[in-house]
Amino acid sequence: QQPVQSPQAVILREGEDAVINCSSSKALYSVHWYRQKHGEAPVFLMILLKGGEQKGHEKISASFNEKKQQSSLYLTASQLSYSGTYFCGIQGISGNTGKLIFGQGTTLQVKP
Amino acid sequence: NAGVTQTPKFQVLKTGQSMTLQCAQDMNHEYMSWYRQDPGMGLRLIHYSVGAGITDQGEVPNGYNVSRSTTEDFPLRLLSAAPSQTSVYFCASSSGTNGYTIYFGEGSWLTVV
Repeated sequence: QQPVQSPQAVILREGEDAVINCSSSKALYSVHWYRQKHGEAPVFLMILLKGGEQKGHEKISASFNEKKQQSSLYLTASQLSYSGTYFCGIQGISGNTGKLIFGQGTTLQVKP
Repeated sequence: NAGVTQTPKFQVLKTGQSMTLQCAQDMNHEYMSWYRQDPGMGLRLIHYSVGAGITDQGEVPNGYNVSRSTTEDFPLRLLSAAPSQTSVYFCASSSGTNGYTIYFGEGSWLTVV
């Protein structure tokens, strides 16, 4: 099933912080985070793996609560370039298929 | 670095026509997949493949066929296009299955009239 992201949209001023949440109804192997600018392909930000390993950007942080099947993406001191739509994608723990199912997205707008 | 290459970038089809969206990757990736993206719906998985000769259905497979005869290529076929298939299509690949970074192509904008 599709993960649920919240909030659906966020408007920030430069320098403010934001948190985007991603919840799943099933046990997870990994959570992926992507950012997409209008008219462009999604760009990889981070992967969080079961067991605590993280791979991704130094300036973006995220957490993965395996018990609650939730992940949060933390955007601190936001910049104009952070604007875009953020997607979380989940891979289930059953079966090594690689299937990545995405949430509906969270639109982030950073204003000067 | 070519990465994941999709063609065509833009296409207009008439209802009932067939076409193939091409996807090729030059990274020797085992895993490839196709997504469609509609406004407010995020990215939905159509079909995926874990290696040459192996394909499986994703969330929204109806109306689409795929095959994987080589590691490099993963074409998506629309047999009889419908207006509901108007969307942006993304091909993606990764070097492994679970826990590996997935790289997207630039997208193919398809309009069915």
